Amino acid sequence: GAGVSQSPSNKVTEKGKDVELRCDPISGHTALYWYRQSLGQGLEFLIYFQGNSAPDKSGLPSDRFSAERTGGSVSTLTIQRTQQEDSAVYLCASSSGTGMTYGYTFGSGTRLTVV
Amino acid sequence: AQTVTQSQPEMSVQEAETVTLSCTYDTSENNYYLFWYKQPPSRQMILVIRQEAYKQQNATENRFSVNFQKAAKSFSLKISDSQLGDTAMYFCAFWSGAQKLVFGQGTRLTINP
Repeated sequence: GAGVSQSPSNKVTEKGKDVELRCDPISGHTALYWYRQSLGQGLEFLIYFQGNSAPDKSGLPSDRFSAERTGGSVSTLTIQRTQQEDSAVYLCASSSGTGMTYGYTFGSGTRLTVV
Repeated sequence: AQTVTQSQPEMSVQEAETVTLSCTYDTSENNYYLFWYKQPPSRQMILVIRQEAYKQQNATENRFSVNFQKAAKSFSLKISDSQLGDTAMYFCAFWSGAQKLVFGQGTRLTINP
């Protein structure tokens, strides 16, 4: 597609449930990133995929968070046993991976609310 | 580790005025990139302007320009002739070879009619 697509746009879930957030990057972009943005805060790095390399998971806040990227394209961020502090906007971005000439292209995010 | 600091949580100016948003960063790297992103209520992060550290000339994109002071590790954004559509959160970001953007906490800018 022309841009980075994220779904769902909004998700309300009950505490303790598992959720899956999806990101469809720009076609041909080899790098994919997940960030979390809590209310009124900056962006917190979660995880980074580059081609077939092992992902950089250094930003994942706990073992309840995991992500995968299938076929070098679509990525799914999974949060298990959701907690209220997981409520945030989850942003996905992709880049060509050849440098930072154009920066990242972001999706519109998924707003997750845990009740 | 690199850090990015935006010391102005909120700013407000009248339409057509000029406004400057501040950003400082900390790094031991010599080659890196700096960015300003805009996030309107739609949530999508939009790249406003980019600066390569090895370039001494300040980047300019229409009404947007930066004042890049490498020695001082300062990277401010100037918006000239501000418009209502400039109302948004603005984030300063840093990138070196670590392959992930590091963001500041953001400045909420409001342009008043």
